[in-house]
Amino acid sequence: DAGITQSPRHKVTETGTPVTLRCHQTENHRYMYWYRQDPGHGLRLIHYSYGVKDTDKGEVSDGYSVSRSKTEDFLLTLESATSSQTSVYFCAISGYGISYEQYFGPGTRLTVT
Amino acid sequence: DQQVKQNSPSLSVQEGRISILNCDYTNSMFDYFLWYKKYPAEGPTFLISISSIKDKNEDGRFTVFLNKSAKHLSLHIVPSQPGDSAVYFCAASDNYGQNFVFGPGTRLSVLP
Repeated sequence: DAGITQSPRHKVTETGTPVTLRCHQTENHRYMYWYRQDPGHGLRLIHYSYGVKDTDKGEVSDGYSVSRSKTEDFLLTLESATSSQTSVYFCAISGYGISYEQYFGPGTRLTVT
Repeated sequence: DQQVKQNSPSLSVQEGRISILNCDYTNSMFDYFLWYKKYPAEGPTFLISISSIKDKNEDGRFTVFLNKSAKHLSLHIVPSQPGDSAVYFCAASDNYGQNFVFGPGTRLSVLP
């Protein structure tokens, strides 16, 4: 199994509060991704990173920001959480350029009340 | 509009029989495809891939077929086992694996 951890695994927060989710990898992969999974939508890309300090927006980036100051860590921040951001969030890594498959972390279930 | 579609939300198959999961896409620029399996409360697990230069790829009980003219791919599982019961996602990339678009998933139930 690829070495990917996510923290926290579960979080309940109130509308309007900031929330940060952390993804940590031990594979030294260049590419890291944040997805959200919602019923009927599969996995939708929020943001991705192709190197330290190099990030780009995905399909559903509004209301989210990311940072990557080290190869192993990719942070996802909800600047002011809304109920529509209640979801399961997955981090993934890819050794793009070596292999194309993405490997996923265990997920974080976020509930915004 | 969804670029990657899995039109069957669910599928039930008897143990030992073949499971066929289908995926259709609209973007003719997609050049690399993946299938993932997902159990509840876990992250998706990579199953098998295929590039647009091939029309078939096999790995054990899993075979993926690609029909580029029809913009269709399918995953065959033979023989199906109860442990295959999960949600299956197909994903497609138009930049050779840098980013992927995922379908909504098909829930497979393999009945003993």
